[in-house]
Amino acid sequence: VQLLQSGPGVVKPSQTLSVTCAISGDRVANDSVAWDWLRQSPSRGLEWLGRTYLRSKWYEEYAVSVRGRITITPDTSRNEFSLQLNSVTPEDTALYYCARGIAPARGLYWFDSWGQGTLVTVSS
Amino acid sequence: DIQMTQSPSSLSASIGARVTITCRASQNIITSLNWYQQKPGRAPKLLISAASNLQSGVPSRFSGSGSGAEFTLTISSLQREDFATYFCQQSYGIPSFGGGTKVEIK
Repeated sequence: VQLLQSGPGVVKPSQTLSVTCAISGDRVANDSVAWDWLRQSPSRGLEWLGRTYLRSKWYEEYAVSVRGRITITPDTSRNEFSLQLNSVTPEDTALYYCARGIAPARGLYWFDSWGQGTLVTVSS
Repeated sequence: DIQMTQSPSSLSASIGARVTITCRASQNIITSLNWYQQKPGRAPKLLISAASNLQSGVPSRFSGSGSGAEFTLTISSLQREDFATYFCQQSYGIPSFGGGTKVEIK
């Protein structure tokens, strides 16, 4: 499985951050896995942002810290998924990662494949 | 939210040394604990899942143990390629990570 991220490196405050993750070696519509977004910064460490997954229908789950500002969207035609984060501030400056989530049993969940990371700086 | 605390935050060790990193959870997470290795400029790499299950291709000098709220990652004989930052991640609740342990050359 390979995940290839793309997106702008600089976003102005109050605007929308958008990053896309293209999947090869798996399908975004695989109903045995999930597709996650995380970020990493010196101030916040590694932080899980949310995920999308297909289990007869599409689900999205988001971290409380970004709920209301975040949207994760799968695109089955392009076999990719995307992150949108609205109303960004300098605190959203971070290295953003996409990852594949594996959940073999209740309470077990890990990230076995990661994108290369996209450094997003929020600055005017 | 479940808080994860790693110790130490950094350590220096020699090639061949035995290294132990500890991760403590703010509550009982049974064995819902994973370990990752991250090298500079790279994404984290999964080493161990469910507290003690070594991922395919990961050298056997890495091992994980623990249950409940205290876990350890052990490197039995440190190699040059092991110098990196290590993170624990719990999956009992919403995923969260420890602050990391940077392993440096002594």
